[in-house]
Amino acid sequence: AQTVTQSQPEMSVQEAETVTLSCTYDTSESDYYLFWYKQPPSRQMILVIRQEAYKQQNATENRFSVNFQKAAKSFSLKISDSQLGDAAMYFCAYRSGTYGGSQGNLIFGKGTKLSVKP
Amino acid sequence: DSGVTQTPKHLITATGQRVTLRCSPRSGDLSVYWYQQSLDQGLQFLIHYYNGEERAKGNILERFSAQQFPDLHSELNLSSLELGDSALYFCASSVASGILGETQYFGPGTRLLVL
Repeated sequence: AQTVTQSQPEMSVQEAETVTLSCTYDTSESDYYLFWYKQPPSRQMILVIRQEAYKQQNATENRFSVNFQKAAKSFSLKISDSQLGDAAMYFCAYRSGTYGGSQGNLIFGKGTKLSVKP
Repeated sequence: DSGVTQTPKHLITATGQRVTLRCSPRSGDLSVYWYQQSLDQGLQFLIHYYNGEERAKGNILERFSAQQFPDLHSELNLSSLELGDSALYFCASSVASGILGETQYFGPGTRLLVL
């Protein structure tokens, strides 16, 4: 079974600085997808970024980028120029790309609570 | 706004009761996934429906059931409620069955409190 581990329960960053959130996963599959979701105090789950395992290039979305290391099974999220609105829980998630596997549901890590200091 | 709607937003009920949570997926999305978020278990997958058919089950209790209707909205039924069922229940939708790795978009959730 696939597992996702976020080893940092809480992180803090100064406004305008850069922070990196860690995520590791365990799988025997070669085809899969990885996601970072943000959950602000409103509790809404918001997609931040996604990465296809078959792509070597790291995904980027504005101030958000990932460092995807397939061999190490690592998928970290870097937030540049942190803003107060980035304060939230961040969840790393795995999704099988193998049909007949987990049928497409997301497997989540426990989350990292990010605080942004003004 | 993800385009996924869930009702009600909040639900308070007593142990032993039965409730129904409703989800309307984004326009054009055929898949609906249900997840439960609790303090002790984190975010867990419950069940997946695609175009009216059940596709996969996760850690869903036998007291829980779901269905997806012809108009593609879905309902999650929780019966014989226990205190431990108190949680935030999310539905998410995606355009296809999941094999394409398409993104899931989450609704705002229904917060259930069992007293």
